[in-house]
Amino acid sequence: KAGVTQTPRYLIKTRGQQVTLSCSPISGHRSVSWYQQTPGQGLQFLFEYFSETQRNKGNFPGRFSGRQFSNSRSEMNVSTLELGDSALYLCASSSGQGLTDTQYFGPGTRLTVL
Amino acid sequence: AQKITQTQPGMFVQEKEAVTLDCTYDTSDPSYGLFWYKQPSSGEMIFLIYQGSYDQQNATEGRYSLNFQKARKSANLVISASQLGDSAMYFCAMRAVYNNAGNMLTFGGGTRLMVKP
Repeated sequence: KAGVTQTPRYLIKTRGQQVTLSCSPISGHRSVSWYQQTPGQGLQFLFEYFSETQRNKGNFPGRFSGRQFSNSRSEMNVSTLELGDSALYLCASSSGQGLTDTQYFGPGTRLTVL
Repeated sequence: AQKITQTQPGMFVQEKEAVTLDCTYDTSDPSYGLFWYKQPSSGEMIFLIYQGSYDQQNATEGRYSLNFQKARKSANLVISASQLGDSAMYFCAMRAVYNNAGNMLTFGGGTRLMVKP
């Protein structure tokens, strides 16, 4: 079974621009979650999508948004980029149901904001 | 609110020896799951092991075992027979199951493990 894929792997943007990151989950998984990882704040939950609906949201400003398509692929968008948005963005997929549900992560997208 | 604490920022271990990575957690939810992930320098998070709050036995997966002490709210990862490839960051994480919390994982700060040849 193919793992979680994320594109692009690396991005360089300038302040004020917007960016879209893509995540393709493991086949059959209906839940996609996004996390931001920075040296200062560690790993923080952004949001989760399950069957095209946002099921949970972390404490991030509205500049961070996402969506999920009918094939479970998900995109994350960040508008009006700030220097502090430089981070590794990790996507994880799972079945989305059950206490033992385990999230499997992709390789991440490393975003640098100049 | 949930909180995960990993008190060891970095650790060294000799190749072929066992090592324990500490994790304590705090939650008021009676039902939760605990996870350990490995993150090599490449960045990808690799799932290692899972422990449910109602599991009576400690979880094991190959060389990984989880020392779960519910009363102490600790879920330490034990790696037996360390290998050079075990050098990485290790994260403990928790998922509560209440109020449709879905798949939100709360992570600890991580422990950097370095295996010496």
